Order: sequence, then structure tokens, then C-alpha cells
Amino acid sequence: ILNVEQSPQSLHVQEGDSTNFTCSFPSSNFYALHWYRWETAKSPEALFVMTLNGDEKKKGRISATLNTKEGYSYLYIKGSQPEDSATYLCAFEENQAGTALIFGKGTTLSVSS
Amino acid sequence: EAGVAQSPRYKIIEKRQSVAFWCNPISGHATLYWYQQILGQGPKLLIQFQNNGVVDDSQLPKDRFSAERLKGVDSTLKIQPAKLEDSAVYLCASSPDHPLGNTIYFGEGSWLTVV
Repeated sequence: ILNVEQSPQSLHVQEGDSTNFTCSFPSSNFYALHWYRWETAKSPEALFVMTLNGDEKKKGRISATLNTKEGYSYLYIKGSQPEDSATYLCAFEENQAGTALIFGKGTTLSVSS
Repeated sequence: EAGVAQSPRYKIIEKRQSVAFWCNPISGHATLYWYQQILGQGPKLLIQFQNNGVVDDSQLPKDRFSAERLKGVDSTLKIQPAKLEDSAVYLCASSPDHPLGNTIYFGEGSWLTVV
């Protein structure tokens, strides 16, 4: 069974702090790495889909990097705001036709004003 | 563009009762997924459809769970009889085809509590 690990499980920061999370995934048979943000009672929102080793993607104050050779991705949030409070999920997509995404347990971020 | 629609949003049932969830994917999306997310865990794939055919149902507890996707559009997920450990969020998602590095779109989920 393929394993996707996320750390930390949860964290609490103050408004204005910058923070980062880690997603570890199998380094073999890689196709893509997906990041989602999931706010309570809303649908998970896609942030990034990353496919190339060394990829860096940015969306506003959120950015992500990808290392497929060692099997990890970092998600960074610069200057956290209360509206960033959510669970951040990463999902591994295997290089095999027809496979669905395999999710980690998520990192739950709480930002206090 | 309308998103993935799910109903009901919330359901409370007693153990051994049955429940059904409905999902309407984004128009034109061939692939539909049902994920189960238990508190403290990541979403786990229950079943994946490509049009109206099943691609993967290896993690679906077939003694109590069933799912169908008639005419390759809407889908229903049924649990009968429910157990306490079935308390979870049931997420439906869709994508134009197999992921292949493309975004998968999720609904808001159906929150089930079994008492």
C-alpha cells in the first residue's frame, strides 16, 4: 500500500507569521503531486498540481516546491492570515493508468489574529 | 460552471439502518470518485468510475457498501446496514478523464453520523 505522510499534523500560528508543511510520498512511479485546501463545511479546493522535479508554483501568498527524486513537497504560506485557517491535503498520483489520488492525513492550520 | 453537487449534506442514523448519498458531477466529466474521510485520517478512495464502468473498488466494503453510476452521469453510494465506524465525510469528486496530472474537483461532502 502506498503511503503519503504529512507533517506536522496541526499547527497554530499568529497572524503575519510564515509557515510551511511537508508532504512525503513514494519516490518511484511518480506522476503528479496535488495540494488541496479544505475549509470546514466547504469542498476541498485545488491549490497546485505539480509534475516536474524542481517545480515551484505560487498562488498569492502560498507557494509549493517539489522534489520527486527524494519524494517530498513543501507548501509555504507567507504572512499567514486568519482566512488561511484550513486543512491542507497533499495527494500522490501514481504513474499507472486509471489510478486515483492517494491522500495524506493533512495538516490543520489555525491562524489567530 | 456548476460544481460537483452532493446530497444530503448531513445525515444522522442509527446503526444497522441504511443511508444513500447522491452525487452529480461536473457536466462532461467522465471519471467520478467516492472518497471516505474519517476524522483524523486522509480521504480514502472507495470507488472510481470511468463513465458507468468501475475502475477501482478494491477498498469498498462490499458486504455493506454499494455504488452505481447509471448512464455515466449521477452516482449513488449506499450503506446497508450502517456501523458506528462508518461515521465519516463522504466526498464525491469528478475529473474530465483519469487524473493524468489534471485537477480533480470535489463536492462539499455528505457528513454521516452513525449512533
